[in-house]
Amino acid sequence: DGGITQSPKYLFRKEGQNVTLSCEQNLNHDAMYWYRQDPGQGLRLIYYSQIVNDFQKGDIAEGYSVSREKKESFPLTVTSAQKNPTAFYLCASSTEGGRDTEAFFGQGTRLTVV
Amino acid sequence: QKEVEQNSGPLSVPEGAIASLNCTYSDRVSQSFFWYRQYSGKSPELIMSIYSNGDKEDGRFTAQLNKASQYVSLLIRDSQPSDSATYLCAVKRNTGFQKLVFGTGTRLLVSP
Repeated sequence: DGGITQSPKYLFRKEGQNVTLSCEQNLNHDAMYWYRQDPGQGLRLIYYSQIVNDFQKGDIAEGYSVSREKKESFPLTVTSAQKNPTAFYLCASSTEGGRDTEAFFGQGTRLTVV
Repeated sequence: QKEVEQNSGPLSVPEGAIASLNCTYSDRVSQSFFWYRQYSGKSPELIMSIYSNGDKEDGRFTAQLNKASQYVSLLIRDSQPSDSATYLCAVKRNTGFQKLVFGTGTRLLVSP
């Protein structure tokens, strides 16, 4: 089945640690996105990538890093520089250009700092 | 000015009524518009996409787009308690940096 897989579903991070959230898609989509959602809030864009080996900062990129070495994968690292990382993280993917560019989401990763 | 604006609600409607959700956007180059539904603790799921001015209907849902007014709306007919969720409006360019931007969402409550 085609889809987007995020792992893990729940993640706990100690203060000062870097953690990496995984996002894999087998939809052959060019574009991939990472969003952060805080309780009762909308989705804020962290990073997005339209093509392999290229990515752009979103509105809240500070304290995060990404890579796009393969079309299928877009991992997000939450670094120790991110002061308040507890949130729900969502990965999405879509086709690019033209129409029918709907984005589809993974199940999300809930990150908690302990 | 936010790129995509929605009233946070909650919007309360009785079962069987029409729910009207509204969204405005600031980037005139936007070409693709989407409505997502998000249940509490879950990831967003796509309900409708619309690309041209006018109405687009899919079952109980109708999306309306007015590019001149930079306005997109979602109508839900015969609202059901299961429609109670947060509805997110999203906007995207189809050229250049094609970031997908979301509004903060409108919470809809449908009472039996």
